[in-house]
Amino acid sequence: EAGVAQSPRYKIIEKRQSVAFWCNPISGHATLYWYQQILGQGPKLLIQFQNNGVVDDSQLPKDRFSAERLKGVDSTLKIQPAKLEDSAVYLCASSLSLGRGADTQYFGPGTRLTVL
Amino acid sequence: TQLLEQSPQFLSIQEGENLTVYCNSSSVFSSLQWYRQEPGEGPVLLVTVVTGGEVKKLKRLTFQFGDARKDSSLHITAAQTGDTGLYLCAGEDTGNQFYFGTGTSLTVIP
Repeated sequence: EAGVAQSPRYKIIEKRQSVAFWCNPISGHATLYWYQQILGQGPKLLIQFQNNGVVDDSQLPKDRFSAERLKGVDSTLKIQPAKLEDSAVYLCASSLSLGRGADTQYFGPGTRLTVL
Repeated sequence: TQLLEQSPQFLSIQEGENLTVYCNSSSVFSSLQWYRQEPGEGPVLLVTVVTGGEVKKLKRLTFQFGDARKDSSLHITAAQTGDTGLYLCAGEDTGNQFYFGTGTSLTVIP
């Protein structure tokens, strides 16, 4: 069974530029998550989708971050414009159901973003 | 502010030693999970605990959920170099907020 795919794996941009990350979840998984993980810290949930609807985006900085999950499968996360403090690993995860605390989340390898 | 505080933050031990990692909060959790993350990869789920006082064993790893469901511990017996990684607790509190802990970086020296 294929895992969660993310691209690109690495991205270096200058501040004020835009960047987009792509995620393809495990086939059949209804729920998709985007996390931000700063070096040495635990991941922070940015947004959670169930199918193509947003369940939780309370910690998404909506002035610069946006995400969509068209057709309830693939998802993209965009940052525009980027700031230095956005340097982090962006992780995508998927799960079968909505129960994030009790359900198993499967993570992709992440995209490491460096903002100069 | 929601917080799952893990201790210690860093741990370096010799192969064969035992260790315990703690995950504490002032919030009550309906469930709590432990993940391990290796460099360049995403976290991988190790266990989920849902009942206060619950103890689960996974080979050399023992997980305990506190009676009040506010804390958890992970104990590793006879650590191996393959146990090296970042250990993360995560949970959904009774307010339906889900978040990860601050992380414990474990290095097992051969």
